[in-house]
Amino acid sequence: SAVISQKPSRDICQRGTSLTIQCQVDSQVTMMFWYRQQPGQSLTLIATANQGSEATYESGFVIDKFPISRPNLTFSTLTVSNMSPEDSSIYLCSAVLGQVYEQYFGPGTRLTVT
Amino acid sequence: GQQLNQSPQSMFIQEGEDVSMNCTSSSIFNTWLWYKQDPGEGPVLLIALYKAGELTSNGRLTAQFGITRKDSFLNISASIPSDVGIYFCTRGDTDKLIFGTGTRLQVFP
Repeated sequence: SAVISQKPSRDICQRGTSLTIQCQVDSQVTMMFWYRQQPGQSLTLIATANQGSEATYESGFVIDKFPISRPNLTFSTLTVSNMSPEDSSIYLCSAVLGQVYEQYFGPGTRLTVT
Repeated sequence: GQQLNQSPQSMFIQEGEDVSMNCTSSSIFNTWLWYKQDPGEGPVLLIALYKAGELTSNGRLTAQFGITRKDSFLNISASIPSDVGIYFCTRGDTDKLIFGTGTRLQVFP
C-alpha cells in the first residue's frame, strides 16, 4: 500500500493569486494523478503527472492554469494559477503502485478563493 | 466524457440493514471499481472487477460486474455506522479513472 500526504490541507486565498499544492508518497510509484472535487460532487481528473516530462491534461484543463511538476517517483505539485472563486474546490492527488486503476488517494486540499 | 450514473443518489438506513446500489453506463467497459470516500478524506478502493459477470466479496461488501459490461452493483450486508460515506463506482479507461456521480449513505443507530 501507499500513504499519501498533501500540503496544505486547506487554504483561503485571494482572487488573482496562485497556490501550489504538494503531494508526497511514502514509496516510489509508477503514476500520479491530480483530481478536482467541487463541493458535493464527484471527482474530475485534471491531469496525469508524468515524471520527467510535461503533464497530460484532460479536456477543459490547461497547463497555464494548472501547471504540474513531478520531479521524481514520490513527489508532485499542482499549482492553481490566477485563482477565481470558481476554483474553490477540493484538490486530490492519487498514486499507482501496481494496477493503474487501483489508486491510492491523498486526503485532499480544500481551497477557498475569495 | 461518458457519464456513469449511480442510484440511488442518497440512502438513509438503519444500522443492521442491507444496502444495494448500482451504476450504469451507456458504453461497454472492461474494468469497474468501487471506491468509498469518508468525510474529509480521499477515496479508498473497496473492490475491483476485471471480468464480465465477476462477483467479488470484501468482508460485508459484494460487487458484481454486469454481464453486459454496462453496469455494476455493490451490496453491503448488515450495515454499521462506519459505513457512512460516499460510494463511487468508477470505470477504467485508457489508464484513467472516470468517477460516477456517487451514492451518499447515511446509517442511523
